[in-house]
Amino acid sequence: SAVISQKPSRDICQRGTSLTIQCQVDSQVTMMFWYRQQPGQSLTLIATANQGSEATYESGFVIDKFPISRPNLTFSTLTVSNMSPEDSSIYLCSVLFSGGGFFGPGTRLTVL
Amino acid sequence: AQSVTQLDSHVSVSEGTPVLLRCNYSSSYSPSLFWYVQHPNKGLQLLLKYTSAATLVKGINGFEAEFKKSETSFHLTKPSAHMSDAAEYFCVVETSGSRLTFGEGTQLTVNP
Repeated sequence: SAVISQKPSRDICQRGTSLTIQCQVDSQVTMMFWYRQQPGQSLTLIATANQGSEATYESGFVIDKFPISRPNLTFSTLTVSNMSPEDSSIYLCSVLFSGGGFFGPGTRLTVL
Repeated sequence: AQSVTQLDSHVSVSEGTPVLLRCNYSSSYSPSLFWYVQHPNKGLQLLLKYTSAATLVKGINGFEAEFKKSETSFHLTKPSAHMSDAAEYFCVVETSGSRLTFGEGTQLTVNP
């Protein structure tokens, strides 16, 4: 298993601004994943972040809107850029081990 | 492409009665399947995982799921519901690149 922490746990932001979310894992992992959970909905994968390479984005998500950094094997950041109210969601990072996928507690973002 | 369909968006049971949450999968090969639970304002918790070792998988908190290839199903069951089981449940399939694809979720209500 893994212990995953995220910062901040929640934030309220103004439209047009950007927020960077941090994800820290207590063990080294090759791949980290970022998901979005819009209000009342299921989780959708945003991108896969490999250390030392560019993140791979899913259909409907672009690097200009959601830039990702992966400086080492235990840490990643997701930035939500030029925010609008439609970006209000819970953002979760995740790692996958043989026992299953493990998720951080999430960052609850509200954009006004 | 692999996908999962949760057949019920909402299930309501009485405390002490059995729980059945239905999930069908679509995959060209034997997939890795998971069930997760999300309590209100809480993180995602892995209930159980199927990886082709045994068709009946036992998870935490008395939940189990049976993989039926002939029916392409992976239903979640529990013999006796507790009030604390009230939550959102997600059926999940692992796709290429170790990515997780979530079903739309089933909201379980447990009535006293």
